[in-house]
Amino acid sequence: DQQVKQNSPSLSVQEGRISILNCDYTNSMFDYFLWYKKYPAEGPTFLISISSIKDKNEDGRFTVFLNKSAKHLSLHIVPSQPGDSAVYFCAASGRGGSNYKLTFGKGTLLTVNP
Amino acid sequence: GAGVSQTPSNKVTEKGKYVELRCDPISGHTALYWYRQSLGQGPEFLIYFQGTGAADDSGLPNDRFFAVRPEGSVSTLKIQRTERGDSAVYLCASSLTGVAGGGDTQYFGPGTRLTVL
Repeated sequence: DQQVKQNSPSLSVQEGRISILNCDYTNSMFDYFLWYKKYPAEGPTFLISISSIKDKNEDGRFTVFLNKSAKHLSLHIVPSQPGDSAVYFCAASGRGGSNYKLTFGKGTLLTVNP
Repeated sequence: GAGVSQTPSNKVTEKGKYVELRCDPISGHTALYWYRQSLGQGPEFLIYFQGTGAADDSGLPNDRFFAVRPEGSVSTLKIQRTERGDSAVYLCASSLTGVAGGGDTQYFGPGTRLTVL
């Protein structure tokens, strides 16, 4: 039972345009959400996070939006660059004693075309 | 500074054999995690260490899997009687305190790709 779902296995966008990656979750106990980026043969690299008390967090070209009522979050990258081509994982952690444990989605492969 | 390192980068073994996978966390990080990533899946939590002790091993699939961190730094994941279904990339991560919700970032190593023939 996937508690974190990334329903788009892949996404292709043109350089300079916006990339929007989506993520849905089912566990209402999740209260902290993260995006990781992964290049081939490397480990996932932390990108940006958001707490459930916020609905938006921005860091340079990257913005994460959280819609708690819909249990949905999205990552916006603008403008997209070819170096952004990677697999993006959405992850979530819960409240309290197990908040160290990250639950990941299956990932979305983003390809940014020059 | 140095990131999380894992050795070996690749390990091929035969069904039924024993393997050890090593993780060197970032210096000073008290929390260490093992995840497993199967083909087409995201990383799945296996075990979490706080210092030398395994604070949560609920993700270990069965008793063939065991992990240690005897001095609170390097960790070894041990798999006995390997099976073909154990083939995956085993990722190690470390963080400063172990509280994700408090903004404690988990830094991942490059992983060990285990292939069981």
